[in-house]
Amino acid sequence: AQSVSQHNHHVILSEAASLELGCNYSYGGTVNLFWYVQYPGQHLQLLLKYFSGDPLVKGIKGFEAEFIKSKFSFNLRKPSVQWSDTAEYFCAVNGMDSSYKLIFGSGTRLLVRP
Amino acid sequence: GAVVSQHPSWVICKSGTSVKIECRSLDFQATTMFWYRQFPKQSLMLMATSNEGSKATYEQGVEKDKFLINHASLTLSTLTVTSAHPEDSSFYICSARGLAGGADTQYFGPGTRLTVL
Repeated sequence: AQSVSQHNHHVILSEAASLELGCNYSYGGTVNLFWYVQYPGQHLQLLLKYFSGDPLVKGIKGFEAEFIKSKFSFNLRKPSVQWSDTAEYFCAVNGMDSSYKLIFGSGTRLLVRP
Repeated sequence: GAVVSQHPSWVICKSGTSVKIECRSLDFQATTMFWYRQFPKQSLMLMATSNEGSKATYEQGVEKDKFLINHASLTLSTLTVTSAHPEDSSFYICSARGLAGGADTQYFGPGTRLTVL
């Protein structure tokens, strides 16, 4: 069965610090990979996605993620975080079967201190 | 573009009553919609996949007779929580499958918070 692991459950950073959130997935076939963000009191928004091509994907708000197939990883990065990045971040995988289902990781709660 | 709405945004009901939640794709057609449940400080758990014009596919452990899903049109799916009980209190989120830049993406609604007294 597919699964997604996010190892960092809570991350606290100061503004301007660099961010890297880990995401590993378990699936034997071709996958689509996503990072979603949920700001306090708001709904999930798509940060970025990987379908194919360049494994380094750039998303909105200065975020990027790198797909490393050999490591089954899709880590999210941002060189310099802002207070407004305080949110919960979810990694998700779609196994590209006909169901189009997304399997979510447990989420990482990021707090950025001003 | 690609906006998904949910109604109501929150609902409080008495134990034993039924509650209907609507999910609409406002500016695109969605042949597939998904219903998730999110407990406080936890991730989203997929409940079911809703396909327009056909029966929903439920995930293991989800009672299909309790969580009735109807996907009557390409822009509307409804989730009815029948005979709700306090343990059904949760945040219910829908998503709609659409194409963004030619690639498959799910767009999420704002969620509906259900509280069963």
